[in-house]
Amino acid sequence: AQSVSQHNHHVILSEAASLELGCNYSYGGTVNLFWYVQYPGQHLQLLLKYFSGDPLVKGIKGFEAEFIKSKFSFNLRKPSVQWSDTAEYFCAVKYNAGNMLTFGGGTRLMVKP
Amino acid sequence: DGGITQSPKYLFRKEGQNVTLSCEQNLNHDAMYWYRQDPGQGLRLIYYSQIVNDFQKGDIAEGYSVSREKKESFPLTVTSAQKNPTAFYLCASTGPNQPQHFGDGTRLSIL
Repeated sequence: AQSVSQHNHHVILSEAASLELGCNYSYGGTVNLFWYVQYPGQHLQLLLKYFSGDPLVKGIKGFEAEFIKSKFSFNLRKPSVQWSDTAEYFCAVKYNAGNMLTFGGGTRLMVKP
Repeated sequence: DGGITQSPKYLFRKEGQNVTLSCEQNLNHDAMYWYRQDPGQGLRLIYYSQIVNDFQKGDIAEGYSVSREKKESFPLTVTSAQKNPTAFYLCASTGPNQPQHFGDGTRLSIL
């Protein structure tokens, strides 16, 4: 079965620290990759997406992610986090150009001021 | 503004009662989805609909039912057969080659 793994369930960082959240997916052919963010009390928002082309994708709010096909990974990064980045982050994969998304279990990020 | 509207924001269910969660979108999207969000488990797909008058079971459809009579609307009924309904329910929609857009969610609790 297709699956998406986010290995860090909870991450606590101080402001200005660098962030990397892992995301690995099971093999399933062509993939589209997404990172969503859910701020406290808000709906899921798209941070960034990869469909094709440059494997290093820039998103909103200074986030980026790198698609490494050989490792089936799509890790999310930010060089310097802010308190306002406190949220839950979800990696999601769309297989074979379909419309279905498979989500990872989410990573709760807390940034200490 | 285009978007997805879920209502109500909070809902309480008594034992043995069916409740219906509303999801409306004005994005002209063909595909709509219902997810259940539980802590540490991410989002799990309950039902989805690729087109009006058609819908398919997702990974955890037992105890739920849906209808898709109009393109804009995809209501979810949580039936009394769903033994653990307390969760956060998210509705989403998408068009071709687009990411999914999400509503604000409905939090369902048992009285």
